[in-house]
Amino acid sequence: SYVLTQPPSVSVAPGKTASISCGGNNIGSKAVHWYQQKPGQAPMLVISYDTDRPSGIPERFSGSNSGNTATLTISRVEAGDEADYYCQVWDRNIDHVIFGGGTKLTVL
Amino acid sequence: QITLKESGPTLVKPTQTLTLTCSFSGFSLSTSGVGVGWIRQPPGKALEWLALIYWNDEMRYSPSLKTRLTITKDTSRNQVVLTMTNMDPVDTATFYCAHSETYPHVVLDSWGQGTLVTVSS
Repeated sequence: SYVLTQPPSVSVAPGKTASISCGGNNIGSKAVHWYQQKPGQAPMLVISYDTDRPSGIPERFSGSNSGNTATLTISRVEAGDEADYYCQVWDRNIDHVIFGGGTKLTVL
Repeated sequence: QITLKESGPTLVKPTQTLTLTCSFSGFSLSTSGVGVGWIRQPPGKALEWLALIYWNDEMRYSPSLKTRLTITKDTSRNQVVLTMTNMDPVDTATFYCAHSETYPHVVLDSWGQGTLVTVSS
């Protein structure tokens, strides 16, 4: 089955740029979506279809997807960005929704 | 404004069947392209997709849990029900329902607050 691999943790200083990767076999051919989950809260969509920001999501959040890696980039990181981040795809071959293992973003 | 809310038992015994209800507003499950899905998250662990049902009655299930899951909808009552059979302590998790309207893709753009289900004797 298809597997999405994320680093367990990423640390970044306030004001710097955080990059969270999501690896998968030929993931560049799939649409990748990203969710932010703060402690005690439900996940929230922050990026859809690789690069699209839902209404209300700051421009500091951006995404890219090519080859075997999709990336969520958060510019000018703020303390409020500290959360777990999950990538997700829909595998049309097996009609299955897959989540990555999640990455905990720590703002130093 | 789309809202979803999960309801059901907070405690079930091993081998019992879990029944959860997702009550929603702000959209209709009779609208083309719309679906409601279930996702669970064991304490301290990652999200795991369980099932999804669409406006056209199409259902999708996690391959690893397919034999234990049933998802149904009641369009008139704006509800989606998930049943999971033969519950085990490892099934202890927060269960979320979520909205998608990007058929056949799945983009979960609105989520319920989640409900914690503990499996214990």
